[in-house]
Amino acid sequence: AQSVTQLDSQVPVFEEAPVELRCNYSSSVSVYLFWYVQYPNQGLQLLLKYLSGSTLVKGINGFEAEFNKSQTSFHLRKPSVHISDTAEYFCAVSDVDQGGKLIFGQGTELSVKP
Amino acid sequence: DAGVTQSPTHLIKTRGQQVTLRCSPKSGHDTVSWYQQALGQGPQFIFQYYEEEERQRGNFPDRFSGHQFPNYSSELNVNALLLGDSALYLCASSLGLAASSYNEQFFGPGTRLTVL
Repeated sequence: AQSVTQLDSQVPVFEEAPVELRCNYSSSVSVYLFWYVQYPNQGLQLLLKYLSGSTLVKGINGFEAEFNKSQTSFHLRKPSVHISDTAEYFCAVSDVDQGGKLIFGQGTELSVKP
Repeated sequence: DAGVTQSPTHLIKTRGQQVTLRCSPKSGHDTVSWYQQALGQGPQFIFQYYEEEERQRGNFPDRFSGHQFPNYSSELNVNALLLGDSALYLCASSLGLAASSYNEQFFGPGTRLTVL
């Protein structure tokens, strides 16, 4: 069975500092990988996705993530965060052959302070 | 394009009651998935509907059932509500159900269900 572990439940960081949100997954089959962001009282918005090809993927709002198959990781990074990046971030995995069923991690609360 | 819409936005029920949540997919989408997000947790997959049939199901009891209409909109029904059913229920829509391909899911804002 697939599973996703987000290694940090909360990440406080100062504005303009770099940030990394960590995600590890477990799966015995080929997967797609995703990062979603959830602002308070809103649904989920796709930040970026890894389907195949280059292991470094770029997303919206200056975020990027690197797929590391040997370490089964998909960490999210941003070189300089803004106050507006304060939100909950979810890593998710989908079995390539399962038509889109998403398995989510527990979430990481990113709090950007001035 | 209105995106994925869900109704109602908030709902309060008591234990033992039944509830129906509604979802209209993004224009052009024909597949609807439902997720339950308990407070402080990541979303959990409930089930997915395509061509008016349940195609995949997560680890949820039979109290959770659904329906998809010919216009692709969908309902989630929960019977015999428990306190633990309190959560944000998210609907996501996508186009098609092809295996070995990627069909992006677009999420609605959710329905917040509180069971007292």
